[in-house]
Amino acid sequence: NAGVTQTPKFQVLKTGQSMTLQCAQDMNHEYMSWYRQDPGMGLRLIHYSVGAGITDQGEVPNGYNVSRSTTEDFPLRLLSAAPSQTSVYFCASSPKGPGQNQPQHFGDGTRLSIL
Amino acid sequence: GNSVTQMEGPVTLSEEAFLTINCTYTATGYPSLFWYVQYPGEGLQLLLKATKADDKGSNKGFEATYRKETTSFHLEKGSVQVSDSAVYFCALSGSGGSNYKLTFGKGTLLTVNP
Repeated sequence: NAGVTQTPKFQVLKTGQSMTLQCAQDMNHEYMSWYRQDPGMGLRLIHYSVGAGITDQGEVPNGYNVSRSTTEDFPLRLLSAAPSQTSVYFCASSPKGPGQNQPQHFGDGTRLSIL
Repeated sequence: GNSVTQMEGPVTLSEEAFLTINCTYTATGYPSLFWYVQYPGEGLQLLLKATKADDKGSNKGFEATYRKETTSFHLEKGSVQVSDSAVYFCALSGSGGSNYKLTFGKGTLLTVNP
């Protein structure tokens, strides 16, 4: 079982460059989300989606865009990378939202460095 | 808003020692509570959960009891192993309008020495 697959695993960007972090799940989960993990900060929610065509902002959405055109895929876009976006990014999914007692399935993360 | 506070690390123990990682929360209504574990270089995995007051979640020798009166969900294990070395996160999902968001504590790094 593939579960939640994130690509790439590592990426180095220059300030101002754009890129897309990919996330795909093969479990037919309705709910998908993106977190960033920073030292001493825990995980913070960036954006989430409760189904295809529906997205909403989390705690720290500035500088990031998302879309959900299919159930399987939930890409995260950085339009103009900034050093403050250096972080480890995790994608997660669940059948329904976490408020319905649904544990999250996490990918292995993308380690992103912005120079 | 919702918040989770867990004990600062790092925590270093010898094998077979008793482990407690404290977690307290602030939330309205009746949140669900979770402990996740992150092994080096990996994503987070669910360790255990509790969905209502006085529930006890347990898995792999770890336990945590949902205490509404003290708004706590402390993680315990009677005898830790080297393989338990990881970062542990306490988390909650709110009820009502906040039920699409999972709020995490900052994480506690546990190192178990042989």
